[in-house]
Amino acid sequence: NAGVMQNPRHLVRRRGQEARLRCSPMKGHSHVYWYRQLPEEGLKFMVYLQKENIIDESGMPKERFSAEFPKEGPSILRIQQVVRGDSAAYFCASSPRTSSYNEQFFGPGTRLTVL
Amino acid sequence: DAKTTQPNSMESNEEEPVHLPCNHSTISGTDYIHWYRQLPSQGPEYVIHGLTSNVNNRMASLAIAEDRKSSTLILHRATLRDAAVYYCILTSNRDDKIIFGKGTRLHILP
Repeated sequence: NAGVMQNPRHLVRRRGQEARLRCSPMKGHSHVYWYRQLPEEGLKFMVYLQKENIIDESGMPKERFSAEFPKEGPSILRIQQVVRGDSAAYFCASSPRTSSYNEQFFGPGTRLTVL
Repeated sequence: DAKTTQPNSMESNEEEPVHLPCNHSTISGTDYIHWYRQLPSQGPEYVIHGLTSNVNNRMASLAIAEDRKSSTLILHRATLRDAAVYYCILTSNRDDKIIFGKGTRLHILP
């Protein structure tokens, strides 16, 4: 059973461009979470999605950031008009939610660099 | 959200046991205690979790105080590969997201 896949692993964008980060959850997992880790800081929750639904987006910046998890295909975190402050590692996690606790399985992350 | 308190960093010698403490004095009755760790340049990985009783798995042991206001992650025989940031986290059915604190950076000395 393959783990959580994220691509690309590294992404370089110039200011003003768009960044698209993809996350394929583990097989059988229908819950996806996105976290951001700024350099030398801890992980911050961004958004929680189930198939075709956003459940909790309380950690998402109000502008330029959006996320989706379509019925078919990976979850996408989209950052429009990137700025230097968006440079960070973005981690995706998935969960089966078949248990009463909330173990999440993390991907290797996408490291975004904005020039 | 219930908060946890951990030391910023700890050191241990290779092949010795390591006890990583965590305080969570505001824990509620339905909160689970989870531990994750993040190795350098990698995503976090699940280590262990518990509710009231002590737990053991192939990676570690979790000792939970009787009043549940603190817990200790025990690595029985640390190796250099255990050098990581260890996060103690409370989770519940009320909220699916994980709130990461600063964690404890564990250094292993050869």
